Amino acid sequence: NAGVTQTPKFQVLKTGQSMTLQCAQDMNHEYMSWYRQDPGMGLRLIHYSVGAGITDQGEVPNGYNVSRSTTEDFPLRLLSAAPSQTSVYFCASTRGRSYEQYFGPGTRLTVT
Amino acid sequence: GQQLNQSPQSMFIQEGEDVSMNCTSSSIFNTWLWYKQEPGEGPVLLIALYKAGELTSNGRLTAQFGITRKDSFLNISASIPSDVGIYFCAGLTGNQFYFGTGTSLTVIP
Repeated sequence: NAGVTQTPKFQVLKTGQSMTLQCAQDMNHEYMSWYRQDPGMGLRLIHYSVGAGITDQGEVPNGYNVSRSTTEDFPLRLLSAAPSQTSVYFCASTRGRSYEQYFGPGTRLTVT
Repeated sequence: GQQLNQSPQSMFIQEGEDVSMNCTSSSIFNTWLWYKQEPGEGPVLLIALYKAGELTSNGRLTAQFGITRKDSFLNISASIPSDVGIYFCAGLTGNQFYFGTGTSLTVIP
């Protein structure tokens, strides 16, 4: 049982490049979400999904896209990277009605 | 968005001391969660609270869901060096989680 996995662990992009951060979970959870964490701040919700085929915006969705074609996978796409998107990105998977949320190890992204 | 204010921002305590931290909001939440994060890792869930007034323990950790539903508290008893980290509260309303800015805990042996 791997829990929540994220790839890559580190990434450097140039302004304007696009990329996809991968997230997968093997716990059969319906609810998955993406957060960003900036220095001195808590986690802020980017997008979330309550099940395959359903996604919704969180607190800071601009510049990011998501899709959820399977229960297991929830990729996050940066459309045109900007320095303001330099951050640590965490994917989380939430267990049913307990709302227990399990986080991946994070992706550290730098945009130059 | 919703704002969760955590206090204190940081704490430096001697090993063996008890720790108290809290999280307040101007909004009502249906669920409160407490997490610990260590450097370079994702947050790890410590305690989840589901009802106003609920008091829940997990080993040396005890958390309470405030009766107004706008706050929550976390206590750590008899701190040990491995308690070092950043503690975050999170509140759930609708389908969205909102996180506090964290309390950084340093335990001096």
